[in-house]
Amino acid sequence: DAGVTQSPTHLIKTRGQQVTLRCSPKSGHDTVSWYQQALGQGPQFIFQYYEEEERQRGNFPDRFSGHQFPNYSSELNVNALLLGDSALYLCASSLFRARGDTQYFGPGTRLTVL
Amino acid sequence: AQTVTQSQPEMSVQEAETVTLSCTYDTSESDYYLFWYKQPPSRQMILVIRQEAYKQQNATENRFSVNFQKAAKSFSLKISDSQLGDAAMYFCAYRSAGNEKLTFGTGTRLTIIP
Repeated sequence: DAGVTQSPTHLIKTRGQQVTLRCSPKSGHDTVSWYQQALGQGPQFIFQYYEEEERQRGNFPDRFSGHQFPNYSSELNVNALLLGDSALYLCASSLFRARGDTQYFGPGTRLTVL
Repeated sequence: AQTVTQSQPEMSVQEAETVTLSCTYDTSESDYYLFWYKQPPSRQMILVIRQEAYKQQNATENRFSVNFQKAAKSFSLKISDSQLGDAAMYFCAYRSAGNEKLTFGTGTRLTIIP
């Protein structure tokens, strides 16, 4: 049973560039959530996708956008990168509206913006 | 808005001993879930234990147990018979029953002393 997978593992970009991160959910899950974890901090919720639509969004600017595909995989796009976007980006999957369903996390993508 | 507070940035414990990690949260809701996640140096966030607020019985998972005090809004994690593999960052997280978003604390770094 495959868990949550993310790619790439590491990424280095320069300010102003755009980046795309990818996530495949755990088998049987239909919902993907994205989190940003700055160094030494807890993860912060970016947004969540279900049925190919953004269902909920945290306090992040429009530079952060996403997409969900029919196979439930998801992408996180960040435009006009800033130094402050350097962080670990975590993807988590779950089953939508299953009461109390746990979110299972992937290994993350480490983004460094120079 | 809900907040989660972990007041112990670092903790250490002798191997085979017991340690308790603290977590408090602030919410006006009555139906919610609480989680403890472990994040080892490999970065992957791993679920340790979860508690449903409407259940009075404290959750247990092998060597891990919680002390859930709903009135005090406290949710501590007890690790018994500590093992070297328990060394990690531990995050407390809150999720409202009607909401998919996880709100995390800032984490406690646990060191196991051989």
